[in-house]
Amino acid sequence: AQSVSQHNHHVILSEAASLELGCNYSYGGTVNLFWYVQYPGQHLQLLLKYFSGDPLVKGIKGFEAEFIKSKFSFNLRKPSVQWSDTAEYFCAVNFGNEKLTFGTGTRLTIIP
Amino acid sequence: DSGVTQTPKHLITATGQRVTLRCSPRSGDLSVYWYQQSLDQGLQFLIHYYNGEERAKGNILERFSAQQFPDLHSELNLSSLELGDSALYFCASSVATWGPNTEAFFGQGTRLTVV
Repeated sequence: AQSVSQHNHHVILSEAASLELGCNYSYGGTVNLFWYVQYPGQHLQLLLKYFSGDPLVKGIKGFEAEFIKSKFSFNLRKPSVQWSDTAEYFCAVNFGNEKLTFGTGTRLTIIP
Repeated sequence: DSGVTQTPKHLITATGQRVTLRCSPRSGDLSVYWYQQSLDQGLQFLIHYYNGEERAKGNILERFSAQQFPDLHSELNLSSLELGDSALYFCASSVATWGPNTEAFFGQGTRLTVV
């Protein structure tokens, strides 16, 4: 079955620490990959996306993600987090069908 | 602001009742998707409409139904409500159906509380 896994359920970091959130999917075909962020009480906002080309994609707010096809991964990174990055982060994949499949999300808490 | 509008923002209703959630997609978008977000299930895809036609169904209960109208707004109808239906319901829209370079934009969601 096509699925998306986010292994980190809750990550706690201090400000200025580096961040990496894992995302893996199960599917051998062509995929479109996304990271969304959900701030408390708000809707999902697109952070970045990968369709094709350069596997290192840059998004908003200093986030980037790297698509590693051989590892079926699309990990999200940020070199130095801020308190305002406290939110829930969702990896989502389109497996060539009519929907986005989401991971279970990672809650990120940044300590000032 | 994503351009996707959902109403109402909050809804409190009793078990056994029926409610209708409304979604207006971004201008020009023909596809509407409904998702349910609950603490135990995460974000679950419910249904996808494209230009008035149902394109895909996910984990949508038989008590739930949806439609997309000629003006492209969509409604999600939830009936015989149970406590477990309490969740955040998101609508998203995209220009067309899923294909290369398609991305979806999400609305603010409707928080449904069944008491």
